[in-house]
Amino acid sequence: GNSVTQMEGPVTLSEEAFLTINCTYTATGYPSLFWYVQYPGEGLQLLLKATKADDKGSNKGFEATYRKETTSFHLEKGSVQVSDSAVYFCALIQKSSGDKLTFGTGTRLAVRP
Amino acid sequence: GAGVSQTPSNKVTEKGKYVELRCDPISGHTALYWYRQSLGQGPEFLIYFQGTGAADDSGLPNDRFFAVRPEGSVSTLKIQRTERGDSAMYLCASSLLGRASGSYNEQFFGPGTRLTVL
Repeated sequence: GNSVTQMEGPVTLSEEAFLTINCTYTATGYPSLFWYVQYPGEGLQLLLKATKADDKGSNKGFEATYRKETTSFHLEKGSVQVSDSAVYFCALIQKSSGDKLTFGTGTRLAVRP
Repeated sequence: GAGVSQTPSNKVTEKGKYVELRCDPISGHTALYWYRQSLGQGPEFLIYFQGTGAADDSGLPNDRFFAVRPEGSVSTLKIQRTERGDSAMYLCASSLLGRASGSYNEQFFGPGTRLTVL
């Protein structure tokens, strides 16, 4: 079946540091890939997505590139802010499995001023 | 505009009791999803509604879990004879068209209901 593996947290960075959160997936065919973010006390929000190989999703300074050869979708940001502190979830959808999202376990990011 | 809302935000119950969790999707969204998130884990799919019908209930863990959406809007997740292992955050999401559109429609999530079974 489908699965998503992402790096364990917590990740603690100083403000303006570079962020990478690794995500790899297992799926047959060509899934669509997503990063969701959960800020403290709020619901899950879609951060960015990519629907085919070599697509780059970007939003709010975050980027992730769909790499089919390495089955990866790593999240990056060049300069994190305190307001980026949240839990980040990598996820996939595969059309053959319907509209259900398959999530990774989440990575907590804490950014220090 | 209003997002997805879920009530109650917290529910504490005793083992063996029956609980109902409610989800109000975004107005006009035809697709509705339930997920369960255990502590330290990502959300796991439970059931998906397209309109009033359950199009995919493959994620329901056993027959103690049941969900309805009688008028194609509000949905209720029902858990009978609750067990301590049912303790989790229950998330609801809605999307405009779901699978019917032929392509991915963004799922908008509610804040969740935290269920604690003592």
